[in-house]
Amino acid sequence: EPEVTQTPSHQVTQMGQEVILRCVPISNHLYFYWYRQILGQKVEFLVSFYNNEISEKSEIFDDQFSVERPDGSNFTLKIRSTKLEDSAMYFCASSETPNEQFFGPGTRLTVL
Amino acid sequence: EDKVVQSPLSLVVHEGDTVTLNCSYEVTNFRSLLWYKQEKKAPTFLFMLTSSGIEKKSGRLSSILDKKELFSILNITATQTGDSAVYLCAPRPGYGNKLVFGAGTILRVKS
Repeated sequence: EPEVTQTPSHQVTQMGQEVILRCVPISNHLYFYWYRQILGQKVEFLVSFYNNEISEKSEIFDDQFSVERPDGSNFTLKIRSTKLEDSAMYFCASSETPNEQFFGPGTRLTVL
Repeated sequence: EDKVVQSPLSLVVHEGDTVTLNCSYEVTNFRSLLWYKQEKKAPTFLFMLTSSGIEKKSGRLSSILDKKELFSILNITATQTGDSAVYLCAPRPGYGNKLVFGAGTILRVKS
């Protein structure tokens, strides 16, 4: 069964460093999303992406964040200058229509 | 502001019991409501509900939506230890594609 994959599974970085989280959505899906979950808190929406552009973003998704679909298969989330409060599990999701969103296994980001 | 409240926060049952998990929501221009099961990591899709009163069923799990009263329930019958997880409710508002997640119900099924 097709699934969303994410790499790396765990990323440790120093505050102020740039990180890129990678996702491979399900191949026939057109809508892509990033969510995050800080430990012990709710899953929060960051951004949605469709037709090679951002369709919606949350207040969390400020200038430090960017997304890109560099080729036909990958979808990346970049955090330019990480802060301690960026430590969280980051989930990529994809969907064929803007309905049933399928989530990847997540990347745990730890900012020291 | 969109709001999702799930209850109970946590629940401990014995194998074979039936459980009902609740989700009430207030979102702008509601479109659909999704249920997910979260074990160790990623939320796993269970159901999507768009219409009131139509039960969705998958094995021992079923779910129904009430758009008038703004809630949904997820039922699990004959629970098994493998049902132990966090169950997340996520309505989708009408102004975009994002899901708004509740805090979840932690279900623990004891053998």
